[in-house]
Amino acid sequence: AQKITQTQPGMFVQEKEAVTLDCTYDTSDPSYGLFWYKQPSSGEMIFLIYQGSYDQQNATEGRYSLNFQKARKSANLVISASQLGDSAMYFCAMREGISSASKIIFGSGTRLSIRP
Amino acid sequence: DGGITQSPKYLFRKEGQNVTLSCEQNLNHDAMYWYRQDPGQGLRLIYYSQIVNDFQKGDIAEGYSVSREKKESFPLTVTSAQKNPTAFYLCASSLQGARTDTQYFGPGTRLTVL
Repeated sequence: AQKITQTQPGMFVQEKEAVTLDCTYDTSDPSYGLFWYKQPSSGEMIFLIYQGSYDQQNATEGRYSLNFQKARKSANLVISASQLGDSAMYFCAMREGISSASKIIFGSGTRLSIRP
Repeated sequence: DGGITQSPKYLFRKEGQNVTLSCEQNLNHDAMYWYRQDPGQGLRLIYYSQIVNDFQKGDIAEGYSVSREKKESFPLTVTSAQKNPTAFYLCASSLQGARTDTQYFGPGTRLTVL
């Protein structure tokens, strides 16, 4: 069963608008962490934001925020005031459990294109 | 500057050859990882190592081998047993591999089999 689902293969957004990238996950473990990464055309994966399953507040990092809805198993990334440099692939990822041997599982990604 | 380096950036291999991809980090991280990415896809875990001289298979380890003789280095060998090795390979590291630890990635190596 797919554990991380990103239902938007591609999105087009006007510059300066806010954009929400969807991510749903599936786990029976009460302890997990959620990550968002950006992958520009150069290929490098850039860490954006992290949310722990026990965190009481939604994570924020500059223009990035995570809309964490635990009951719905949803962890959407919100980018405010989008910029041309935001055009990239975006991946949602999850790590289960508290074991140091736990792995990160990645979704299939969403390609975001910002229009000038 | 601290970071993760991968070399080479592009690699071409003839069928039947083994090739080794380099990954070095100076972040003093304990855990290191190798991922494979196919076009339009997410990342799949090949191998990971939590500590020197120890490593575990990921989801797609067949046809690959690794070693972890030094904390800073985690080379990946793509063997001739790997049926479809053409892909983008990413190395990552994290502090201790715990749930909250963020993985940081290198720039990647693009492998093409001729």
